[in-house]
Amino acid sequence: QVQLVESGGGVVQPGRSLSLSCAASGFTLSSYPMNWVRQAPGKGLEWVALISYDGNTKYYADSVKGRFTISRDNSKNTLSLQMHSLRAEDTAVYYCARGHGYYLVYWGQGTLVTVSS
Amino acid sequence: QSALTQPASVSGSPGQSITISCTGTSSDIGGYNYVSWYQQHPGKAPKLIIYDVSHRPSGVSNRFSGSKSGNTASLTISGLQAEDEADYYCSSYRSNTTQFGGGTKLTVL
Repeated sequence: QVQLVESGGGVVQPGRSLSLSCAASGFTLSSYPMNWVRQAPGKGLEWVALISYDGNTKYYADSVKGRFTISRDNSKNTLSLQMHSLRAEDTAVYYCARGHGYYLVYWGQGTLVTVSS
Repeated sequence: QSALTQPASVSGSPGQSITISCTGTSSDIGGYNYVSWYQQHPGKAPKLIIYDVSHRPSGVSNRFSGSKSGNTASLTISGLQAEDEADYYCSSYRSNTTQFGGGTKLTVL
């Protein structure tokens, strides 16, 4: 069955960097666009970034543009999110999600990123 | 502030029907039939319950239905059950991005 497992979350100081990973299994990663979506504690969902199936096209939310980079390694069935210049407002649970058309069918369980000094 | 506007909370008794609205603009909801709805229980990942305005994924109860009129989309849950108590989020495509609503907390009385 389709499984998405995020990792890499933790506590990081403001201004520092952190890299998240999402391990995909149960399907062919190279056939689908992939997304990162985050949710601040007690708040709603916020779409973060999208990468096309082949990695050639990437889109970002304005709130992370220029600081975050989404990438994928289809040969390793892995999606990544590199986060730089982290701010307190980046504190959230980060989910990877498989795209299908313009909706997200499969989601991971999320990994918590806390930006705090 | 979310791009799509939802009521913060709605409530209903078991067996009743409720409707959650989601208001956007002609650049998102009004411009495309790419509205989706997600259900999220506490501590869990979101679950897709409606896509492309009114389509239900396999396995989702037919008590859930979606519609759209102009710049406003709606999610209706009929025959409310205790297990429906959750947060609900609308979503729409907009200019190569995905916009979410702020979420609506459904309380089953």
